Amino acid sequence: GAVVSQHPSRVICKSGTSVKIECRSLDFQATTMFWYRQFPKQSLMLMATSNEGSKATYEQGVEKDKFLINHASLTLSTLTVTSAHPEDSSFYICSARDVLQSSYNEQFFGPGTRLTVL
Amino acid sequence: EDQVTQSPEALRLQEGESSSLNCSYTVSGLRGLFWYRQDPGKGPEFLFTLYSAGEEKEKERLKATLTKKESFLHITAPKPEDSATYLCAGDNTDKLIFGTGTRLQVFP
Repeated sequence: GAVVSQHPSRVICKSGTSVKIECRSLDFQATTMFWYRQFPKQSLMLMATSNEGSKATYEQGVEKDKFLINHASLTLSTLTVTSAHPEDSSFYICSARDVLQSSYNEQFFGPGTRLTVL
Repeated sequence: EDQVTQSPEALRLQEGESSSLNCSYTVSGLRGLFWYRQDPGKGPEFLFTLYSAGEEKEKERLKATLTKKESFLHITAPKPEDSATYLCAGDNTDKLIFGTGTRLQVFP
């Protein structure tokens, strides 16, 4: 149980284009989903927290107009990187949590999406 | 400010050579300490959650322990397949605060 998928696993795009990444919880209802960014040999940096049906909460320094997050259902959240630039190239990872099952912050992670902006 | 620090940054072990990874934390109202394993190019894989000082959990060659200030991940007789980055994270209720990880290499 507790499987989280991401799509695509890898994407290469031109500078100025927008890229959408999907995160799905396959066998549970994810009341809360998190989006992280990870640069090489660094740890996970939380970008934003999203609760189903409400606006995402962004961490300090993360541009909400650039990283659009939608959590329209209990099994799907999307991250859209708008007008991507080379400095947005990174490994993006989502995680999901089912608050109905646990009041603790147990998160299950997706496999990640490698974004390369040329 | 909530902070999680892991040491060492990197660790090379010979197969069978036991060792420990350290995770020191200052997290207000810590509700749980998590350990994850991350292989290159993949998302973190959940290993353990520890909720109170004195608690221990084991899984195969790994054992995690928790005190009021730090957590240890003990690796007994490691094998090459244990090579990965091990991340710890403190739960401050709102979110997980991650350390920078320990890159473990186990060579035959």
